Amino acid sequence: GEDVEQSLFLSVREGDSSVINCTYTDSSSTYLYWYKQEPGAGLQLLTYIFSNMDMKQDQRLTVLLNKKDKHLSLRIADTQTGDSAIYFCAESEGRGSTLGRLYFGRGTQLTVWP
Amino acid sequence: DTGVSQDPRHKITKRGQNVTFRCDPISEHNRLYWYRQTLGQGPEFLTYFQNEAQLEKSRLLSDRFSAERPKGSFSTLEIQRTEQGDSAMYLCASSLREGPVNEQFFGPGTRLTVL
Repeated sequence: GEDVEQSLFLSVREGDSSVINCTYTDSSSTYLYWYKQEPGAGLQLLTYIFSNMDMKQDQRLTVLLNKKDKHLSLRIADTQTGDSAIYFCAESEGRGSTLGRLYFGRGTQLTVWP
Repeated sequence: DTGVSQDPRHKITKRGQNVTFRCDPISEHNRLYWYRQTLGQGPEFLTYFQNEAQLEKSRLLSDRFSAERPKGSFSTLEIQRTEQGDSAMYLCASSLREGPVNEQFFGPGTRLTVL
């Protein structure tokens, strides 16, 4: 659970969809997360997906998980300028009370142009 | 506002000095984590506590680093004989052990600059 890769930058126009991709190496990961970091603010959990799921939708956010390819994506529909931030993919091993440390990717800087 | 607070928010120190940071987690959370984040990188795990017990330490945590959580509430992270490579954002997070998805709530961080 120590190798999480993300593309570093993504630029989109306001109103378009954004897709942020992530790959991970640890097949024992049970939960995968997307965190958002805005300047001067702490990391905020946006959404998560359990490893036995393929997809999770939460309002404008859709998470897709391809466990075979160890690929995770976050789609933001109708992207707004307020969505501009750094998005981190993270994974956690274990289950229930054994869940512990998170392994983060380097983050994807999303810039939304008006 | 996630409820996790850290103090100070910024610390500038000279190489060789000792520094101590404090984290106050969300009150009912029994787990507390420390991470370090350098520019352009994601947070890297340092250590975590369940109540007052330190359960795991990263290889990143050299012997100059020590963390405590004496009463299972707030935690301190001390760095002795600071080096320029210690310059980073130090993040604290807390969670509920019983929580099913290990949602970790992060504080705003303490930015350390070592001159």
